[in-house]
Amino acid sequence: AQKVTQAQTEISVVEKEDVTLDCVYETRDTTYYLFWYKQPPSGELVFLIRRNSFDEQNEISGRYSWNFQKSTSSFNFTITASQVVDSAVYFCALSEEGGGSEKLVFGKGMKLTVNP
Amino acid sequence: EPEVTQTPSHQVTQMGQEVILRCVPISNHLYFYWYRQILGQKVEFLVSFYNNEISEKSEIFDDQFSVERPDGSNFTLKIRSTKLEDSAMYFCASSEGSSVEGEQYFGPGTRLTVT
Repeated sequence: AQKVTQAQTEISVVEKEDVTLDCVYETRDTTYYLFWYKQPPSGELVFLIRRNSFDEQNEISGRYSWNFQKSTSSFNFTITASQVVDSAVYFCALSEEGGGSEKLVFGKGMKLTVNP
Repeated sequence: EPEVTQTPSHQVTQMGQEVILRCVPISNHLYFYWYRQILGQKVEFLVSFYNNEISEKSEIFDDQFSVERPDGSNFTLKIRSTKLEDSAMYFCASSEGSSVEGEQYFGPGTRLTVT
């Protein structure tokens, strides 16, 4: 069964601090996909990144970076030099390949508050 | 940039009433989904739809729920007899292909309040 665990429920930082959001997943499949979504206070879900299980290269996009480690089943997300606009709930999600569905299974989310 | 749209943004209904939530997926997408998020909780999968039929549904998606793609552009979620516990944000999502081919793009959500 698929499961995503975001152990941290809420983090508060001061602007310009770096912050890492943890995500641990469980799956029996060898092919799967991992995602991060951002949900700002306005409520929409904004796609940030998708990685497949065969690509363990870390990725950097501006102030965002992702560390995927299959050995520990983790897909952590780091925001460097955080800004107030980063304040949101961040969800990690997992999708398994096949079956014609590829539904997303979300973690419980982590609320990040960046204070000026 | 193409986006998923949802109407209405907020729906208030009385317990026992039927509601229809509407979504217009991105035009070239083939996979469609409904998720819901009870206030302050995680996003939960309800149903996926591909090739004009349900491909998977969760335990939440019981006989009170149905989905339809009536005209090739809209994708609707119907709740036949709403309950208080149906109060939630409902998100529609679409993707061009399976997880191999692309990510799911979400609409802005419809907040359903059942009184």
